[in-house]
Formats: sequence, structure tokens, C-alpha cells
Amino acid sequence: NAGVTQTPKFRVLKTGQSMTLLCAQDMNHEYMYWYRQDPGMGLRLIHYSVGEGTTAKGEVPDGYNVSRLKKQNFLLGLESAAPSQTSVYFCASSPGLAGGLRNNEQFFGPGTRLTVL
Amino acid sequence: AQSVAQPEDQVNVAEGNPLTVKCTYSVSGNPYLFWYVQYPNRGLQFLLKYITGDNLVKGSYGFEAEFNKSQTSFHLKKPSALVSDSALYFCAVTKRDSSYKLIFGSGTRLLVRP
Repeated sequence: NAGVTQTPKFRVLKTGQSMTLLCAQDMNHEYMYWYRQDPGMGLRLIHYSVGEGTTAKGEVPDGYNVSRLKKQNFLLGLESAAPSQTSVYFCASSPGLAGGLRNNEQFFGPGTRLTVL
Repeated sequence: AQSVAQPEDQVNVAEGNPLTVKCTYSVSGNPYLFWYVQYPNRGLQFLLKYITGDNLVKGSYGFEAEFNKSQTSFHLKKPSALVSDSALYFCAVTKRDSSYKLIFGSGTRLLVRP
């Protein structure tokens, strides 16, 4: 099993450009999450999904959109990139309600390093 | 509002010595608590969790953590540090709702010197 994979690994954008980050998991997990990691701030939740076709806002959703058209994929979009969105983005997945909280630790992808000039 | 505090940006320890990485939390109700580790240029890896029961939780790579409800703390410990333990450690908490969202602390960098 590949676990959680993220595409691309690195990207440089100019202000105003758009892009989509792809997250894929092969563990049949119901729940998926997008975080951003900034120095000294830990990880902050951008958006999450509790199942195919559902999405919800996290702590810092502004400037981002997401879609979960297939259970195994969770896409994060930036419609008009800004320098403040320079960060490392992590995707995670977990079993969800079927696993119960005792078995709901999140599994993380390797991250995407995004620089917006 | 829920929050997690990791008061130390960095912890330095000599190889073979015990280590402690501190974490305190603020959350209504009974929390679920986690520790994750991040090695350079990698994603986060799960270390251990406290759900209920015994206050001393054992996890991966010889790490353990002690849940203290009265002090609202969940400190990570290891009896004998290894150079390979050097990494960034995150404490996290989740409320007992169906979203299982995690609130992370700011992270503590652990440096183990030979």
C-alpha cells in the first residue's frame, strides 16, 4: 500500500496564478483533511471531508477550495494564489466513524512545498 | 476555544539521557490526545494516543506519555534518548465529536547530541 500520496512535491507560483494539489489514499478511509504548516505555528486545518461528496471548512479556509468527488481523492485548489499562501501543505486521512475514535489516528502524506512569488 | 501549548521551541538532550517534551491543553470535556513526530522533509507519523484508561501510554520507538487531568498536561517521555530521535514533535488534541479534527501545538524540536 502506498498510503497517502500527494502531487506535486514542489511548486512555485506567481501571484494570481491558480493550481490544484492532489491527495490520494489507498486505505479506504472515509475522512480526509488538508493542513498547512508554517514555522512556529504547527499545522492548521484548511478543509476536511467526512465522506465522498462532502466537504467542510476548517480553521483557515479562506482562499482555498476543495472537492471530494471520489472517496480516495481529495483536491485542494488555489484560485488566485497570494504570497501568504506560501507554505507546506499536508494531506491526511483516517478511517472515520467506522473506525471509532480509538482507531482514528490520522495518516499523513509527504507534503507539498508551495512558494508564491 | 480548544488549544494546545508546547512551551518549548527546542529541547536539547545528550544521547542516553532521559527526555521530556512538554504539552498542555485546553479543551472542554474529556480530550483525546496525540503525539506525532516529523522527520526532515517528511510527513507526520503517529507516535501514541490517550483515549481513556491508564494515564501512562506507551507508543512507538520506546516513547511514552503521561496524561495528567488535573494539570491538563500530556508530556512525552523517553527513558534513554537516541540521536535518531532528533525530529520535530507535535502534540494534538481532538474533541469527542464525529469530525475527529485535530488541533495541533506549535511543535518542539528535539535535538539529541551524541
